[in-house]
Amino acid sequence: DVKVTQSSRYLVKRTGEKVFLECVQDMDHENMFWYRQDPGLGLRLIYFSYDVKMKEKGDIPEGYSVSREKKERFSLILESASTNQTSMYLCASKGQLEQYFGPGTRLTVT
Amino acid sequence: AQRVTQPEKLLSVFKGAPVELKCNYSYSGSPELFWYVQYSRQRLQLLLRHISRESIKGFTADLNKGETSFHLKKPFAQEEDSAMYYCALSGRSGNQFYFGTGTSLTVIP
Repeated sequence: DVKVTQSSRYLVKRTGEKVFLECVQDMDHENMFWYRQDPGLGLRLIYFSYDVKMKEKGDIPEGYSVSREKKERFSLILESASTNQTSMYLCASKGQLEQYFGPGTRLTVT
Repeated sequence: AQRVTQPEKLLSVFKGAPVELKCNYSYSGSPELFWYVQYSRQRLQLLLRHISRESIKGFTADLNKGETSFHLKKPFAQEEDSAMYYCALSGRSGNQFYFGTGTSLTVIP
């Protein structure tokens, strides 16, 4: 059974802080993804990675960066958090066909 | 460009009534289509995928390439079907997924 875990369920940060969101998968998947989920906007892809140290921008990469130093771990970084980055962040790992999602991190930036 | 459209943000049906959640896509190739579901306080999970041609929890979805649609259907809605449903598309390379904006289904008892 695939397991995707995210480091925090809830996070509150101040404007301007650097924020790290961690995601770990245990199925040796090559592809990993970061989305943000907002009401009425669905899931929007921020970044994805298809291998260690490889990354590609998704639809809304501005204000974010990512790191993939190990295959099982994919980190999302907000260099300087802003209030418009308040959202639910979902990590996913992709096997042969489907994506498996983590429980999500609800980030509030005040 | 690859995109997924779910025209209904909210959908309410009575228990026992048929339900159809619409999904249209645009893709320059042969996509793989999926439906994902998110129940209250649970993580997003796969409901079904078109290549499996399976029925999960009474739901089915047929890929109509002519109409570029992948509508989700169930003949008799149940209260436990109340959830957020997302249609998703993946290209053959599998490196990217595109999600629709989601439809919130409420089944009225």
